[in-house]
Amino acid sequence: GDSVTQMEGPVTLSEEAFLTINCTYTATGYPSLFWYVQYPGEGLQLLLKATKADDKGSNKGFEATYRKETTSFHLEKGSVQVSDSAVYFCALKENSSASKIIFGSGTRLSIRP
Amino acid sequence: DAGVTQSPTHLIKTRGQHVTLRCSPISGHKSVSWYQQVLGQGPQFIFQYYEKEERGRGNFPDRFSARQFPNYSSELNVNALLLGDSALYLCASSLLASGGQETQYFGPGTRLLVL
Repeated sequence: GDSVTQMEGPVTLSEEAFLTINCTYTATGYPSLFWYVQYPGEGLQLLLKATKADDKGSNKGFEATYRKETTSFHLEKGSVQVSDSAVYFCALKENSSASKIIFGSGTRLSIRP
Repeated sequence: DAGVTQSPTHLIKTRGQHVTLRCSPISGHKSVSWYQQVLGQGPQFIFQYYEKEERGRGNFPDRFSARQFPNYSSELNVNALLLGDSALYLCASSLLASGGQETQYFGPGTRLLVL
């Protein structure tokens, strides 16, 4: 079945460092891809999305490009801030009649001042 | 505009009891989905309802059930609670039922602890 694999954390970086969180997926069709962020004690917030191959999603300085050839959707940010500390989830949704989102296990990111 | 709201925020139950969790979608959204997030893991899909009909069900036992009301709010019911049901239960709403343009927006969740 469909699945998402993302790099295990925790990831600890210094402020203004470059961030990459790797994500690969397995899907039978042509899914939409998402990155969600979860701040401590809160629910999930949609960070960015891409609905087809070669699309780039971006928001708040974060970017991810839908790579069909490598089945990847890596999250990047050029200069992280302390406020970016959170758990990041890569996810996919098949564009079928159902609306089920499949999530990766999450990557905890901590940014040192 | 208000986002997705869920109640209660926290709940403590004992094994064998029953629980009802509630969700109000974003105004205008007709689809509600429920997810279970066990500590340290990603959310797992439980149900989707659209226009009061079940559109999808995840791999959960029959102890889990849900319904959607005419105002598109939803309830998740869990019977005969087990310790393993302790989790954060997330509700998500979306404008569309499915498809490439459908985006789900999540509420803050209800944290359930089963003792």
